[in-house]
Amino acid sequence: SQQGEEDPQALSIQEGENATMNCSYKTSINNLQWYRQNSGRGLVHLILIRSNEREKHSGRLRVTLDTSKKSSSLLITASRAADTASYFCATDAPRTGNQFYFGTGTSLTVIP
Amino acid sequence: NAGVTQTPKFRVLKTGQSMTLLCAQDMNHEYMYWYRQDPGMGLRLIHYSVGEGTTAKGEVPDGYNVSRLKKQNFLLGLESAAPSQTSVYFCASSLTWGMNTEAFFGQGTRLTVV
Repeated sequence: SQQGEEDPQALSIQEGENATMNCSYKTSINNLQWYRQNSGRGLVHLILIRSNEREKHSGRLRVTLDTSKKSSSLLITASRAADTASYFCATDAPRTGNQFYFGTGTSLTVIP
Repeated sequence: NAGVTQTPKFRVLKTGQSMTLLCAQDMNHEYMYWYRQDPGMGLRLIHYSVGEGTTAKGEVPDGYNVSRLKKQNFLLGLESAAPSQTSVYFCASSLTWGMNTEAFFGQGTRLTVV
């Protein structure tokens, strides 16, 4: 299936450090999105990057997209305890209907 | 503005029982989705709808049925629950198709089938 895979599966850092997580996908895409999920809650949209874009910023978030490598990265700078959550990438699949396909997620723990 | 609301939030079923999960959105979105989330599997698409009166199968549709009689509601039914359907179910909606805009998610329904 067109499922992204996040790497690492789990990440633990100290407050104030930067956190980087990666997403790889299998086939060509039009768009890629990142979502955050706090424990026991629904997913919340963070950022959308289109296939013709290489980098986007939103506050402390920086997303890059390398379509030649079929990969994306999410960087959270100056992390806070409130950033503790699971992070998912979602891609579309133009050849099979453009539904959202989610990866397995990276679990981020920020230690105060 | 409530966004996407799912009911119930928790449910325990016995094998073979049936139930319906309700999803309601107040954003006038055309597109609605049902996902299940299992440990280590991410979110998998069960069924989706591109508008009132339409439904389509997603990645894992077996054992589920859906209906979209009203634009704001998307119902997910389990006719004969099985332990393999123990999962957390999420409903989502979006304004456009093809991931051009974000999806809005409900809080989830935790279902246990014993």
